[in-house]
Amino acid sequence: DAGVIQSPRHEVTEMGQEVTLRCKPISGHDYLFWYRQTMMRGLELLIYFNNNVPIDDSGMPEDRFSAKMPNASFSTLKIQPSEPRDSAVYFCASSPTGFRISGNTIYFGEGSWLTVV
Amino acid sequence: KQEVTQIPAALSVPEGENLVLNCSFTDSAIYNLQWFRQDPGKGLTSLLLIQSSQREQTSGRLNASLDKSSGRSTLYIAASQPGDSATYLCAVRLSSNTGKLIFGQGTTLQVKP
Repeated sequence: DAGVIQSPRHEVTEMGQEVTLRCKPISGHDYLFWYRQTMMRGLELLIYFNNNVPIDDSGMPEDRFSAKMPNASFSTLKIQPSEPRDSAVYFCASSPTGFRISGNTIYFGEGSWLTVV
Repeated sequence: KQEVTQIPAALSVPEGENLVLNCSFTDSAIYNLQWFRQDPGKGLTSLLLIQSSQREQTSGRLNASLDKSSGRSTLYIAASQPGDSATYLCAVRLSSNTGKLIFGQGTTLQVKP
């Protein structure tokens, strides 16, 4: 399997622009996570889905952030309008069925490096 | 609120040395704890997962221990190699009812040839 695939890998955008990050989870995984990593705050969970349904979005920083999962093989994280403080690495990750019960592991993509100037 | 701390933030050792990375958490009521490795510019790779009922897990040269009552975990790396150079993060999961992981800030390890 190709693993979790994220795009774009790098994006530089101007403040106020809309940013859309994309993720394709590993086939057959029914949990999908969006994490953000910064030097100051480390890795933080933004939102996660189970079977395409958002389960916990308490980490989404504000209304400028939104995430969707229209089907089992695709998710987006959108920032509108973007601000310099949104500059970070955004990771998508997925886990298989049984994650909640047996503690199966989680597989991360290589991240989308966002710079807002 | 659960907080996860990793000390030291950075560590440099000569090749061949055995070393221990530390992770502490403030609330002992956890479901499990995981150790991850992150290479520069890459995502995270899971190394070891310890359920709350377990004391340790081993994989090759890696051994992770868990002392829930004291809120501590250690990752032991035997006979370190330059290829072990990376950032190591620990993360706790609070219960089986959530998929959320709470991460420490990580320890950046450099193993010098």
